[in-house]
Amino acid sequence: AQSVAQPEDQVNVAEGNPLTVKCTYSVSGNPYLFWYVQYPNRGLQFLLKYITGDNLVKGSYGFEAEFNKSQTSFHLKKPSALVSDSALYFCAVRDKGYSTLTFGKGTMLLVSP
Amino acid sequence: NAGVTQTPKFRVLKTGQSMTLLCAQDMNHEYMYWYRQDPGMGLRLIHYSVGEGTTAKGEVPDGYNVSRLKKQNFLLGLESAAPSQTSVYFCASSSAISYNEQFFGPGTRLTVL
Repeated sequence: AQSVAQPEDQVNVAEGNPLTVKCTYSVSGNPYLFWYVQYPNRGLQFLLKYITGDNLVKGSYGFEAEFNKSQTSFHLKKPSALVSDSALYFCAVRDKGYSTLTFGKGTMLLVSP
Repeated sequence: NAGVTQTPKFRVLKTGQSMTLLCAQDMNHEYMYWYRQDPGMGLRLIHYSVGEGTTAKGEVPDGYNVSRLKKQNFLLGLESAAPSQTSVYFCASSSAISYNEQFFGPGTRLTVL
């Protein structure tokens, strides 16, 4: 089975400060890990993914994520938050033996001016 | 390219009525998916398809049926709508390469009275 947890329903950060949105996962094999963002009344948009190799992956809009196998985590980060980053963020995992993604419940990121 | 499109965008049904949601993709993707999104529940997979003429159950398939008669289209049917099916429905597609991301449609907001 594969599962993913996003322990925070909401993250608040001031504009210009660094942000972290947490994600932990559980798979039986090696994971493929994804982050998606959803703006109000829109579909999900792909941000970045980890397949293999370098533990730090870079994605769209200045976001990056760090894969940590020992802690089974894949936290989303950005060095300097923008108000326009305010959105709902989803972490997702896919075990190599699966055909489908499993999504976390989502974390609402609110960036204040 | 339009990507993934969904029809309709909004719909209100009465309990017991039926309807079909249409998803179309122009990226020649093999895999297609139907999700529902409910507050605090994240995205839950209803049904998916790994190719034309094939479908499989996801996490929450009860009360829904699907068909994939053409590679580019994936239909989601509700035979007898219930208030518990009030939700936002998203379609997604991806290539058959397991680590490739899914592309999402804009969603259909369904209310069942």
